[in-house]
Amino acid sequence: QVQLVQSGSELKKPGASVKISCKASGDIFSRYAINWVRQAPGQGLEWLGWINGNTGRLTHAQGFGGRLDLSLDTSVSTAYLQINSLKAEDTAVYYCARVRLVGILVGDDPFDVWGQGTLVTVSS
Amino acid sequence: DIQMTQSPSSLSASVGDRVTITCRASQSIDIYLNWYQQKPGNAPKLLIYAASSLQSGVPSRFSGGGSGTDFTLTISNLQPEDFATYYCQQSYSVPPYTFGQGTKLDIK
Repeated sequence: QVQLVQSGSELKKPGASVKISCKASGDIFSRYAINWVRQAPGQGLEWLGWINGNTGRLTHAQGFGGRLDLSLDTSVSTAYLQINSLKAEDTAVYYCARVRLVGILVGDDPFDVWGQGTLVTVSS
Repeated sequence: DIQMTQSPSSLSASVGDRVTITCRASQSIDIYLNWYQQKPGNAPKLLIYAASSLQSGVPSRFSGGGSGTDFTLTISNLQPEDFATYYCQQSYSVPPYTFGQGTKLDIK
């Protein structure tokens, strides 16, 4: 069964960094891009970026000032999201979600499999 | 970036009702509109992709329609498990992916 399994909750102080993992199982990692989406408490869904599981190429959303670092380790089918210089407003549930590649590129498909979410709390 | 606007923001209905949620894109997105259902404490779940294609395993009481800038999600014969928040998402012009603000469907 295809699934994405994320790492556990994190509590961090402002200014610190956090690294969340997303492990894929049940399908070939290189056929997908892994997206990261966050949801602040009581709010909607915000796309953060994707990493291409075939090429390793990154694409980030605007507005994060270079604080986001996406990476992957294909040997263990795991994608990572690191957020640096954490702020209180980064408090959210962070989801990974896969999208099928068309050839080696992200096409127009939906996010068909999601991780269970990782709560990141930023508080002094 | 393409802006997605859902209406209404919230909706009350009864079991057995038929409800429709709308999503409007700020420019044409052809048919590349997806719908997700999210229940409290859970990740979003894909319901409909490419405006009207039902994801495998999703009950047929869910249906989607539209093209260009205007889209609908209709749920017929509402069941207790359908009370949730629904999001639309465009996948036509990425990056970035953009979502509607969500529609919360609760029991009347």
